[in-house]
Amino acid sequence: DAKTTQPPSMDCAEGRAANLPCNHSTISGNEYVYWYRQIHSQGPQYIIHGLKNNETNEMASLIITEDRKSSTLILPHATLRDTAVYYCIVRVGTGTYKYIFGTGTRLKVLA
Amino acid sequence: DTGVSQNPRHKITKRGQNVTFRCDPISEHNRLYWYRQTLGQGPEFLTYFQNEAQLEKSRLLSDRFSAERPKGSFSTLEIQRTEQGDSAMYLCASSLPSGIEAFFGQGTRLTVV
Repeated sequence: DAKTTQPPSMDCAEGRAANLPCNHSTISGNEYVYWYRQIHSQGPQYIIHGLKNNETNEMASLIITEDRKSSTLILPHATLRDTAVYYCIVRVGTGTYKYIFGTGTRLKVLA
Repeated sequence: DTGVSQNPRHKITKRGQNVTFRCDPISEHNRLYWYRQTLGQGPEFLTYFQNEAQLEKSRLLSDRFSAERPKGSFSTLEIQRTEQGDSAMYLCASSLPSGIEAFFGQGTRLTVV
């Protein structure tokens, strides 16, 4: 599976959009981009995933560049409860959930 | 269903002792995964089961580690002769074969003193 690169930390004001970037320049054509987050002392929680097209669900939006070498997770209206470590992962679309996690981005939402 | 359940949540053990953790996956999830997470790092894959068959093991899983899933339901992870370097959070996850996502438990935090 391809590796990902994320900034180690980011701050965001409460109520504003949080835009978390991820670089996955070695991604293969059959690899999906997944985002998970981990709130302190809990297990990782699924947020969203995508292959080529932009995706949106009740939690977030995922914007994938046309060349698929990078993506951005958008939390439209960040709240204090969104403070967490966010992991960007690439995974082959079929088969196991053998994720390769990096060190993620520590997002701090400020009041 | 209350999600993936892991027990105990915390375990403190003396170096050299054996420890065993349990994971109860979400019902009907036939895939089960173990990960290890050390402080400041992302989770690292250890092993994976499909039903009762252990299909993949990471080279991180030394011969002191053994995982089982005897009836394709719950799983246990045993660490023999624990070392201080084994101190970590041990996470379990489960999924359906065609599921979109893997669901993680809260983890078991092991401290070896």
